[in-house]
Amino acid sequence: EAQVTQNPRYLITVTGKKLTVTCSQNMNHEYMSWYRQDPGLGLRQIYYSMNVEVTDKGDVPEGYKVSRKEKRNFPLILESPSPNQTSLYFCASSLSVTLGHNQPQHFGDGTRLSIL
Amino acid sequence: AQKITQTQPGMFVQEKEAVTLDCTYDTSDPSYGLFWYKQPSSGEMIFLIYQGSYDQQNATEGRYSLNFQKARKSANLVISASQLGDSAMYFCAMRDASYQKVTFGTGTKLQVIP
Repeated sequence: EAQVTQNPRYLITVTGKKLTVTCSQNMNHEYMSWYRQDPGLGLRQIYYSMNVEVTDKGDVPEGYKVSRKEKRNFPLILESPSPNQTSLYFCASSLSVTLGHNQPQHFGDGTRLSIL
Repeated sequence: AQKITQTQPGMFVQEKEAVTLDCTYDTSDPSYGLFWYKQPSSGEMIFLIYQGSYDQQNATEGRYSLNFQKARKSANLVISASQLGDSAMYFCAMRDASYQKVTFGTGTKLQVIP
């Protein structure tokens, strides 16, 4: 089954404790992206990646890191989480930006992070 | 910078009626893509429909159609014959000319009344 898999689905942790949210897709997609969803703000793009070893900042990258060492994986790293990073996070992927901007994104089921 | 505006935080519609969800956008790029996604209460994001900036005709997908007015920079979603399962959050999104950055609106919560 074609899917984007995020782990964990839920996490409660404390300020300053490094964490990683994993994202993996099995569709051989080149483009991957991370978003955070907050009430009243919709989804905001954190980082995106056009292909392996190519990443760039979205609109709200502060406090986050990403890496793209393999095509299928795009982990989101919070080196020193703070309470304002409490949010619902989505990973998404799409086929290839070189095919045009008509490629819809496939989303994971989301990760709900609570930073105390 | 590109921007998506959804001015209706919440809407109600009677079952079997049609409903229009508004979306306006702002960009200086001549080439862009517009998307609508549905987010049910279960949380997943579901792609509904796409419209390209150079497409001459309005996009349609089953009961979903996109009323694209390029001069007014609007891309409204029309749902015909609403069903109870249409109750959800709906997000309008735009992909920029580089095909890389994606901007979402704040969403509209639609509730279908029996």
